[in-house]
Amino acid sequence: DAKTTQPNSMESNEEEPVHLPCNHSTISGTDYIHWYRQLPSQGPEYVIHGLTSNVNNRMASLAIAEDRKSSTLILHRATLRDAAVYYCILRTILSGNTPLVFGKGTRLSVIA
Amino acid sequence: EPEVTQTPSHQVTQMGQEVILRCVPISNHLYFYWYRQILGQKVEFLVSFYNNEISEKSEIFDDQFSVERPDGSNFTLKIRSTKLEDSAMYFCASKERTGGMQNIQYFGAGTRLSVL
Repeated sequence: DAKTTQPNSMESNEEEPVHLPCNHSTISGTDYIHWYRQLPSQGPEYVIHGLTSNVNNRMASLAIAEDRKSSTLILHRATLRDAAVYYCILRTILSGNTPLVFGKGTRLSVIA
Repeated sequence: EPEVTQTPSHQVTQMGQEVILRCVPISNHLYFYWYRQILGQKVEFLVSFYNNEISEKSEIFDDQFSVERPDGSNFTLKIRSTKLEDSAMYFCASKERTGGMQNIQYFGAGTRLSVL
């Protein structure tokens, strides 16, 4: 899977929007952009994924740059429960049964 | 909502002892995984399992490790002779199938293994 780059940490105030960036300049045309998060003392949890178009679900939105070399995970109103490590992972459409490769991710702190 | 269940939540063992970590994947899932996370470090892949055999394993998954799906519901990770460096959180994950929304892995809450 291609490499991604994320800031080590970010901080947000509660009930404010949060934009978590991810750079993936070597992304290929068959790579999906996946986001997982890991709450304290929990296993990783799927958040959202997309290929080219922006995506929304009940947890978050994913904004993908037109050249696909970067993307942004958007939490519209951060809550204390959103404090977690967020991982941006590229998965080729041909990934089949291959495992997820986790980087260090971005540690999001939410301040009340 | 269906979830991956892992037991026990915390296992304490003496160095050299055998441990079995247990997982119940989501019932209609076909692909199964074990990952581990040493305290303060990244989540690392150990092994994947499909159709009753190992699909892929990492260099961490040496001869001391084995996996089994003994029945239609459980998926186990055995460490034959534990070492101090095996102390970590072990996560089980499962996936329905490949492709589209089915290509999402669902993780359990993990088993914390402490080797003394």
